[in-house]
Amino acid sequence: ETGVTQSPTHLIKTRGQQVTLRCSSQSGHNTVSWYQQALGQGPQFIFQYYREEENGRGNFPPRFSGLQFPNYSSELNVNALELDDSALYLCASSPGTGGADGYTFGSGTRLTVV
Amino acid sequence: GENVEQHPSTLSVQEGDSAVIKCTYSDSASNYFPWYKQELGKGPQLIIDIRSNVGEKKDQRIAVTLNKTAKHFSLHITETQPEDSAVYFCAASWSDYKLSFGAGTTVTVRA
Repeated sequence: ETGVTQSPTHLIKTRGQQVTLRCSSQSGHNTVSWYQQALGQGPQFIFQYYREEENGRGNFPPRFSGLQFPNYSSELNVNALELDDSALYLCASSPGTGGADGYTFGSGTRLTVV
Repeated sequence: GENVEQHPSTLSVQEGDSAVIKCTYSDSASNYFPWYKQELGKGPQLIIDIRSNVGEKKDQRIAVTLNKTAKHFSLHITETQPEDSAVYFCAASWSDYKLSFGAGTTVTVRA
């Protein structure tokens, strides 16, 4: 059984650019959630995807968008990058849509915006 | 929305001693309370969880207690070892699609 894999592990972008982060779900998991973890903080919920549709969204602007593919993998896209977008972006897959359904987190993508 | 507060932010203990981390939550509808351990360069890993119909749960050296009336829950680590050094997060959920996390506790176990 494979875990959650994220790519890339690190990247540096310039303010105003766009970025795409990728996530492969754990085998058997049909739901993907994305979290943003600023340095020294707990993860903050961005959104969740289930059956290729956005199933819920946190307090993030529309320039944060996502996709889920038929194989349950997912992408997080951020447009018009701002310095405050610098953070660790975590993907978590789960076998159901509830917060209690058992998340498995990936190791994250460290995004630095300069 | 749910607000989770976690204390202390840092905790240093002597190897073999116990460590206790406390969290409070605001939404009385929350019914699931997991604890995650995050090591440097890794994502959070679930170490124990408790649901609202249970007051205490134990797994080897780790235990979690829940007081629904007071809306707080705690993580207890006994006989701490150097490999317990990490950042620990509490979280809460009320069966919706997300977890609300605390700000984390950095635990350092001194040899």
